[in-house]
Amino acid sequence: QVQLQESGPGLVKPSETLSLTCTVSGGSISSYYWSWIRQPPGKGLEWIGYIYYSGSTNYNPSLKSRVTISVDTSKNQFSLKLSSVTAADTAVYYCARVTGYCSSTSCLGGYMDVWGKGTTVTVSS
Amino acid sequence: NFMLTQPHSVSESPGKTVTISCTRSSGSIASNYVQWYQQRPGSAPTTVIYEDNQRPSGVPDRFSGSIDSSSNSASLTISGLKTEDEADYYCQSYDSSNQMVFGGGTKLTVL
Repeated sequence: QVQLQESGPGLVKPSETLSLTCTVSGGSISSYYWSWIRQPPGKGLEWIGYIYYSGSTNYNPSLKSRVTISVDTSKNQFSLKLSSVTAADTAVYYCARVTGYCSSTSCLGGYMDVWGKGTTVTVSS
Repeated sequence: NFMLTQPHSVSESPGKTVTISCTRSSGSIASNYVQWYQQRPGSAPTTVIYEDNQRPSGVPDRFSGSIDSSSNSASLTISGLKTEDEADYYCQSYDSSNQMVFGGGTKLTVL
């Protein structure tokens, strides 16, 4: 079955760029939307954004100025870049597959059916 | 944009039934599908309800979802509570720009 694995540095300095990659195994990245979600310590889930395998994206307005999500279909991977990080960006970052009520132009009501285990990113000098 | 408001915590005894609410602050709850995710401590979330009331394969029928336009809210009901149901539960929907919105989460204690 499809599995997702997040990878990237666990420690990022303030003002630098956080970079994470999600590798999709056991299935193709094509024909789906893929999402990033984060969870600060002791807090709830926050949606960061999603990307279609063709490259179209939709971002959380509160993070949009700092976020870039990209996809590499040849490697079956998608990635997250979050710039100018602060301690408030310290969180567990999850990647997930979005399925269900989605079209080729946007996801209207899909849900995350496969999640990665999550990776902890700490922002600290 | 809108908010999804959930009770911070609920508790119930094993074998009983519990309902967790998710109230949309503006716009109709029926405008966009509502999903529910279960997150056990130290684990990634999993879907227990999607598209308001659909259960993924493998989720027991003790879990059910509904929406109520009169209260502009969605509900997750868990019957025949088991200790393994103890977890955080999050509702999630979409706004008019097709952006995801999560509720703040509800901690379910089964005591």
